[in-house]
Amino acid sequence: DAGVTQSPTHLIKTRGQQVTLRCSPKSGHDTVSWYQQALGQGPQFIFQYYEEEERQRGNFPDRFSGHQFPNYSSELNVNALLLGDSALYLCASSLYYEQYFGPGTRLTVT
Amino acid sequence: SQQGEEDPQALSIQEGENATMNCSYKTSINNLQWYRQNSGRGLVHLILIRSNEREKHSGRLRVTLDTSKKSSSLLITASRAADTASYFCATEPVRAGGTSYGKLTFGQGTILTVHP
Repeated sequence: DAGVTQSPTHLIKTRGQQVTLRCSPKSGHDTVSWYQQALGQGPQFIFQYYEEEERQRGNFPDRFSGHQFPNYSSELNVNALLLGDSALYLCASSLYYEQYFGPGTRLTVT
Repeated sequence: SQQGEEDPQALSIQEGENATMNCSYKTSINNLQWYRQNSGRGLVHLILIRSNEREKHSGRLRVTLDTSKKSSSLLITASRAADTASYFCATEPVRAGGTSYGKLTFGQGTILTVHP
């Protein structure tokens, strides 16, 4: 049983560019949440998708958007990248309470 | 914003010793979860304790929850070098109507170093 997978593992982008990160949930899970983790900090909730709709959103600007597909996989899009967007982006899937995290995508904005 | 606050920020112990980490939070919760993270990789779920539970065990882990003090502790007994990692508590707040959709709020974590 595959766990949560994320792609790519690492990514380097330039300020102003756009990026798309991908997540495949654990088999049987229908909910996907995205978190941003800056260096030395705990993860911060970006948003959550359920039934292909954004169900909850954290305190992140509209530059951060997402999508969930019928197979429950999800994408996180960030437009107009800023240096401060450099972080580890974590995807978590869940069916009930426990969230299972993927290995993350390390985004560096230069 | 970070709801959970872990204490201490860093903890260094010898193999075989016990490690205790504390977490405080601010709002009413449905449950509190502890996670481990190795070297900036993905988080591994350790244990979940519901708001109506006071103590929970899983292997060498013991978690307590005091909702009146809005605090929790994680005890790792007989620590091993492989336990070296960052440990985070995460709370799932109660939403209006009592439902919760798994929006976790994490603390800044405790860095645990276990020396062989």
